[in-house]
Amino acid sequence: DGGITQSPKYLFRKEGQNVTLSCEQNLNHDAMYWYRQDPGQGLRLIYYSQIVNDFQKGDIAEGYSVSREKKESFPLTVTSAQKNPTAFYLCASSSGQQSYSNQPQHFGDGTRLSIL
Amino acid sequence: AQSVAQPEDQVNVAEGNPLTVKCTYSVSGNPYLFWYVQYPNRGLQFLLKYITGDNLVKGSYGFEAEFNKSQTSFHLKKPSALVSDSALYFCAVRGLTGGGNKLTFGTGTQLKVEL
Repeated sequence: DGGITQSPKYLFRKEGQNVTLSCEQNLNHDAMYWYRQDPGQGLRLIYYSQIVNDFQKGDIAEGYSVSREKKESFPLTVTSAQKNPTAFYLCASSSGQQSYSNQPQHFGDGTRLSIL
Repeated sequence: AQSVAQPEDQVNVAEGNPLTVKCTYSVSGNPYLFWYVQYPNRGLQFLLKYITGDNLVKGSYGFEAEFNKSQTSFHLKKPSALVSDSALYFCAVRGLTGGGNKLTFGTGTQLKVEL
């Protein structure tokens, strides 16, 4: 079955540590996204990529970094500069790299990150 | 800048009764509008979208939504609620002038359907 796989499901970060969240899709989608979900705040966009080797900052990119070396993969690194990393992180993808695609985004099942 | 408002944090409905989850939006130009549902500790699932055409859009699991341009609203509806519909519902908008391929989400509405 085609879909988006996020791993791990739960992740714990120590003070001063960088951690990387994995996101892999086999939907052959061009665009991929990372969101952060906090209770009562909905989803906020961290980074997005519309094509391999290119990505743009979203609304809350500070303290995060990404890479897009392969079409299927869009890992997110939460750096030690992110002082409040505890949240539910969601990865999504959509078809069509054009700017105004009307295709819906498909989501993985998330990674819950906590501070030790 | 584009924005979405979901004015109700929680909606309670008895099983078998109709349900409505409200959404209003603000964008420049014509919008693309989406509804998603989220079950606990899961990702979002796409329910339906409005792009153009008929103002009443039908989607998955018996849900529908009505686009009202004059009121800038896109309320989600279902004629007869099920207990299994209990979940967190998100409205999202994508503007067609600027903003690229980005969605802006509302803060979510928790739907609780009781027997």
